[in-house]
Amino acid sequence: DAKTTQPPSMDCAEGRAANLPCNHSTISGNEYVYWYRQIHSQGPQYIIHGLKNNETNEMASLIITEDRKSSTLILPHATLRDTAVYYCIVRGSWTSGTYKYIFGTGTRLKVLA
Amino acid sequence: DTEVTQTPKHLVMGMTNKKSLKCEQHMGHRAMYWYKQKAKKPPELMFVYSYEKLSINESVPSRFSPECPNSSLLNLHLHALQPEDSALYLCASSLDRTYEQYFGPGTRLTVT
Repeated sequence: DAKTTQPPSMDCAEGRAANLPCNHSTISGNEYVYWYRQIHSQGPQYIIHGLKNNETNEMASLIITEDRKSSTLILPHATLRDTAVYYCIVRGSWTSGTYKYIFGTGTRLKVLA
Repeated sequence: DTEVTQTPKHLVMGMTNKKSLKCEQHMGHRAMYWYKQKAKKPPELMFVYSYEKLSINESVPSRFSPECPNSSLLNLHLHALQPEDSALYLCASSLDRTYEQYFGPGTRLTVT
């Protein structure tokens, strides 16, 4: 199963776009990339996922490079409430009748007023 | 109802106690999960239930005993825990094993 690498921390000014990178250079062709965030002492919150194509929803956009070795989560207009730890996850291969989430170590995003 | 609920929010227990954590969802999800999260670390998978049957046990010590009485409810029974078992215990559910997981708020467990 692929591993993910993320920068440990980032700052972003309120109202600006936050671009969170993730490296998953060993990802295989059928492994999806998921993003979750965890606000202090709460459960992780699903944001978005994708396989090959770029994806957008009401929370964020996900840009996956053509070789699929890295991706970027974009929060278009960061607010103070977006301050959280963001996890890039590769959904691993089908094992024992399920898919496992392979969590990265997370990026602690701080949105500054 | 679009959430996963967990009770209790906080639990303090001694090493000789028996306690249980409860997780509930009413979204019709057929896969449910237990994770353990230590401070400043990502969650670690413990157990996966699919259609009320245990499909994955990530070599978790037997002092943790999961139970899935029905499709909406997941329990984690705790017995003879160690202080190093103190952590945030997270429950998650998904429509089935191929869909995204939705997490509950967690139970913060302290073993004294």
